[in-house]
Amino acid sequence: QLQLQESGPGLVRPSETLSLTCKISGGSIDSHYYWGWVRQSPGRGLEWIANIYYGGNTHYNPSLKSRVTISVESSENQISLHLTSVTAADTAVYYCVSAGWSLYNWFDPWGQGTLVTVSS
Amino acid sequence: EIVLTQSPGTLSLSPGERATLSCRASQTLSSNSLAWYQQKSGQAPRLLIYGASGRATGIPDRFSGSGSGTDFTLTINRLEPEDFAVYYCQHYGSSPRTFGQGTKVDFK
Repeated sequence: QLQLQESGPGLVRPSETLSLTCKISGGSIDSHYYWGWVRQSPGRGLEWIANIYYGGNTHYNPSLKSRVTISVESSENQISLHLTSVTAADTAVYYCVSAGWSLYNWFDPWGQGTLVTVSS
Repeated sequence: EIVLTQSPGTLSLSPGERATLSCRASQTLSSNSLAWYQQKSGQAPRLLIYGASGRATGIPDRFSGSGSGTDFTLTINRLEPEDFAVYYCQHYGSSPRTFGQGTKVDFK
C-alpha cells in the first residue's frame, strides 16, 4: 500500500525558503509516474502547488511558479518542495500526493500533511 | 483558471438521510475530469470519486457521483455517522488544477 510522509521545519521566518520532503513507501517512485504538492489554509482553501514526473518534468501553478521548485530524488524514493520568499500567506498544511500515471490525474493517496507556519 | 463553486456551504442532516452536494464549474470540464474528496477533522483529504462517477477503491457504494460539462453532483445515500465531514470537488483536466471551497455535512 502506497504511503507518503511529509517532513520539514514547522516554523519558517518571513522572506526565507520553505523546504519540505516527501518520503514514499510501499512503492517505487517510478511506479506511479506523477507526484505533487497541495497546500491547505483557512484563507485559501485547498491549493495545488506543483506536479512532477518521476523523470523530472515539472508543472507548476502559475500563481506560485516564480517561487516554487519541485524535484525528485529517485535514489531516496522521495520528492522535495522549495518555496522561496515566504510570507504569512504561505502558512498552511502542506500535503504530498500521488498523481497517478498521466499528466492530468486525480490525487490518491495523500500524505498526512505537515503544518508550516511562517512567522518571525 | 477554472473556478469550482460548491453548494450548499453546509448541509445539516441526520443519519440515514440522503445528502446531495453540488459542484459547478466556470467552464466545461474536459473528459469529465472531476474528483470528489472527503476530509475529516485533522485528516488529509481522501479520494472518493474520479472521472465524475468512478468510485475509488474501497469506497462504499452509498457514495455516487454524476454530472457532466459544468454541473456535477455527489450523492451519499443513507448517511452513516462516519460520513459527516467536509467534501471537496476538484478538477484535474487542465492547469491549474483547482478545488471547490467545500461543503460541510453536519448533524442536524
